[in-house]
Amino acid sequence: EPEVTQTPSHQVTQMGQEVILRCVPISNHLYFYWYRQILGQKVEFLVSFYNNEISEKSEIFDDQFSVERPDGSNFTLKIRSTKLEDSAMYFCASSFDPYTQYFGPGTRLTVL
Amino acid sequence: KQEVTQIPAALSVPEGENLVLNCSFTDSAIYNLQWFRQDPGKGLTSLLLIQSSQREQTSGRLNASLDKSSGRSTLYIAASQPGDSATYLCAVRTGNTGKLIFGQGTTLQVKP
Repeated sequence: EPEVTQTPSHQVTQMGQEVILRCVPISNHLYFYWYRQILGQKVEFLVSFYNNEISEKSEIFDDQFSVERPDGSNFTLKIRSTKLEDSAMYFCASSFDPYTQYFGPGTRLTVL
Repeated sequence: KQEVTQIPAALSVPEGENLVLNCSFTDSAIYNLQWFRQDPGKGLTSLLLIQSSQREQTSGRLNASLDKSSGRSTLYIAASQPGDSATYLCAVRTGNTGKLIFGQGTTLQVKP
């Protein structure tokens, strides 16, 4: 069964460094999403992406964040200058339509 | 602004018991509602998706109901097993971008 994959599974970085989290969505999917979950807190929506542009973003998704689908298969989340509070589990999701989503296993980001 | 609340935050039951997890949401204008399971440190596994026009969905020992007008959903687990121990998340989908808004989850422990 096709699944969403994410790499790396765990990323450790120093505060102020740039990180890129990678996702490979299911191949025929058209809608792509990033969510995050700070330890002990709710899963929070960050951004949705369709037709090569952002369709919706949350207040969390400020100028430090960007998304890209560079080659038609990968979907990336870039954090330009990481802060301690960016430490969280980041989930990628994809779907063929906007009414359901398949989630990846997540990347745990630790900012020191 | 849509808010999703889950009660109780944690639940511990003996094996074999039937149980109900509750989810409430503040804005009844939803496309659908989805229940997920999350094991510690892991990703999200979709359990059931109920469309806004439906009243319930069943999968094996799981039954989810939806009362959109009152902003409530329940997840019923029959004959609980230790393997059901996990955090159960409720999420509502609003708008046509696919964005999900999550509750904080109910952590279930089923004791042998």
